[in-house]
Amino acid sequence: QLQLQESGPGLVKPSETLSLTCTVSGGSISSSSYYWGWIRQPPGKGLEWIGVIYYSGGTYYNPSLKSRVTISVDTSKNQFSLKLSSVTAADTAVYYCARDDTTMVSFDHWGQGTLVTVSS
Amino acid sequence: QSALTQPASVSGSPGQSITISCTGTSSDVGNYNLVSWYQQHPGKAPKLMIYEGSKRPSGVSNRFSGSKSGNTASLTVSGLQAEDEADYYCCSYAGSTTWVFGGGTKLTVL
Repeated sequence: QLQLQESGPGLVKPSETLSLTCTVSGGSISSSSYYWGWIRQPPGKGLEWIGVIYYSGGTYYNPSLKSRVTISVDTSKNQFSLKLSSVTAADTAVYYCARDDTTMVSFDHWGQGTLVTVSS
Repeated sequence: QSALTQPASVSGSPGQSITISCTGTSSDVGNYNLVSWYQQHPGKAPKLMIYEGSKRPSGVSNRFSGSKSGNTASLTVSGLQAEDEADYYCCSYAGSTTWVFGGGTKLTVL
């Protein structure tokens, strides 16, 4: 049973960098059949796609966030990570990691999500 | 890349059918048959309900169905049950390995 688990600080100061890690268990992150992605949801609002990474390191980002986002992968640890720089209160959200099945072109497995609050 | 447009809320009585629309553009919904739909209960992660416009993952009830016409995709829930009350989000592939979500629709079962 594939499981994804987000981890990282729940509180980040304005102008600093948000860093989260997603640990994948029950399956290999190195499969050629999947992208691994990040999606966020501000409190009481809708979902926003942030970006995805392929196991080989290829990355694709939301154009509106591209200048501040970096997604990386560590296949040895079966993990991938998100960094979002220069955060403001508008970046306060529940951050989800998810698997994108390339044959289904959809996010078929999700982590439980982690709330990150940007505040001084 | 603008968010897809969904109605803020829809409602129906148990046993009835409802349809949620999802309007995009010729760059996303209209250009690809790659719309997915997600169900989200309060405090929970989204769950994939429909992919590639009309296909159901294993384990999803056949009361959920999807379709598309032009730049608008739709999710229909038939035989409404209390457990269907949730938020629903559409998502479309938008080319160049990017995706765009809708703003979400709250389904209330009366």
